[in-house]
Amino acid sequence: GNSVTQMEGPVTLSEEAFLTINCTYTATGYPSLFWYVQYPGEGLQLLLKATKADDKGSNKGFEATYRKETTSFHLEKGSVQVSDSAVYFCALLYSGGGADGLTFGKGTHLIIQP
Amino acid sequence: GAGVSQSPSNKVTEKGKDVELRCDPISGHTALYWYRQSLGQGLEFLIYFQGNSAPDKSGLPSDRFSAERTGGSVSTLTIQRTQQEDSAVYLCASSLAQGDTQYFGPGTRLTVL
Repeated sequence: GNSVTQMEGPVTLSEEAFLTINCTYTATGYPSLFWYVQYPGEGLQLLLKATKADDKGSNKGFEATYRKETTSFHLEKGSVQVSDSAVYFCALLYSGGGADGLTFGKGTHLIIQP
Repeated sequence: GAGVSQSPSNKVTEKGKDVELRCDPISGHTALYWYRQSLGQGLEFLIYFQGNSAPDKSGLPSDRFSAERTGGSVSTLTIQRTQQEDSAVYLCASSLAQGDTQYFGPGTRLTVL
């Protein structure tokens, strides 16, 4: 079946540090890949997405590139801010027939210290 | 425009009671999804509607869970004879069409005492 593996936290960084959150997946076919973010007390929000190999999704200074050869979709940001503190979820959507629901990783809790 | 809304935001119930959770998707979105978020299991997909029909109900945790959608809009998730392990945040999402980006509601936090 489909699965997503991501580093679990908490990950603690200082403001302006470089961020990488690793995400790898297992899927049949060619899924779409997503990063969702959940800020404290808020609902899940789409951060970025990529729908095919070598696509790069980007938003709010975050980037992730769909790497089919390594089945990865790592999230990066060059300089994090305190306001980036949140839980980040990597997810895939495989629409090859069936339920069509997102498969999520366990989430990575990111804490940015001033 | 308005996002996905869910009600109630919080529900506390006693073990053995039935509960009904409601989801109002974004207007015009034909696809609707239910997920469950719990500490032990993370985010789990439960069921998906395209229009009023659910092609695959195998993601529902047990036969105590059921869902329906009427008029291609509002959906309700019903849990019968609630158990303590049903305690979780139940999330609803909608998308313009099958396979499109899903937008999530704020969730209903269910606590079964």
